[in-house]
Amino acid sequence: QKEVEQNSGPLSVPEGAIASLNCTYSDRGSQSFFWYRQYSGKSPELIMSIYSNGDKEDGRFTAQLNKASQYVSLLIRDSQPSDSATYLCAVNRVGSARQLTFGSGTQLTVLP
Amino acid sequence: EAQVTQNPRYLITVTGKKLTVTCSQNMNHEYMSWYRQDPGLGLRQIYYSMNVEVTDKGDVPEGYKVSRKEKRNFPLILESPSPNQTSLYFCASSPKRAGELFFGEGSRLTVL
Repeated sequence: QKEVEQNSGPLSVPEGAIASLNCTYSDRGSQSFFWYRQYSGKSPELIMSIYSNGDKEDGRFTAQLNKASQYVSLLIRDSQPSDSATYLCAVNRVGSARQLTFGSGTQLTVLP
Repeated sequence: EAQVTQNPRYLITVTGKKLTVTCSQNMNHEYMSWYRQDPGLGLRQIYYSMNVEVTDKGDVPEGYKVSRKEKRNFPLILESPSPNQTSLYFCASSPKRAGELFFGEGSRLTVL
């Protein structure tokens, strides 16, 4: 089992819809969770971080964390074609705040 | 402008010819890290550094060396490159240990 798993996609949604991206992790004691966005040919950029159970909202983005289910998700409301990118989930492993483990990413396409 | 700068951005080399990829950040970050990104495997950590003269192995350190003589610089050294080191390499820095990373633009390396 991979430490951080994401559906590779591709995931396609129409413009204006809600895009839902999911991530599961294996280390139950993981404390910190991050979502990065990577446009094709570009470097990853941090868009959300979440540290406690529940929802965290930032503009059109909402991160959801459920530590009991070892599940973190990213919702993008009112999706725009400019949101088309690969979204990477990343987790600090148990006992290692120094290292971040990434999932392999979910490719999202927002159709005009 | 706050940034992480990598050089070279593109390099084609031959097996066994030593090379160095430089990385410099101007944000006074203590934490720096190197990742490689391969299709289907996502981002994998090679080495990281918590501060000057403090480095440690990530998940895939074989065939690589690093040094951290100055806070701003964290070069990646391939002493004897092999074709399986053909990859896209990212340097990253963070003000908060491993979590909130700022990435460089990437260095695409091809080893023939």
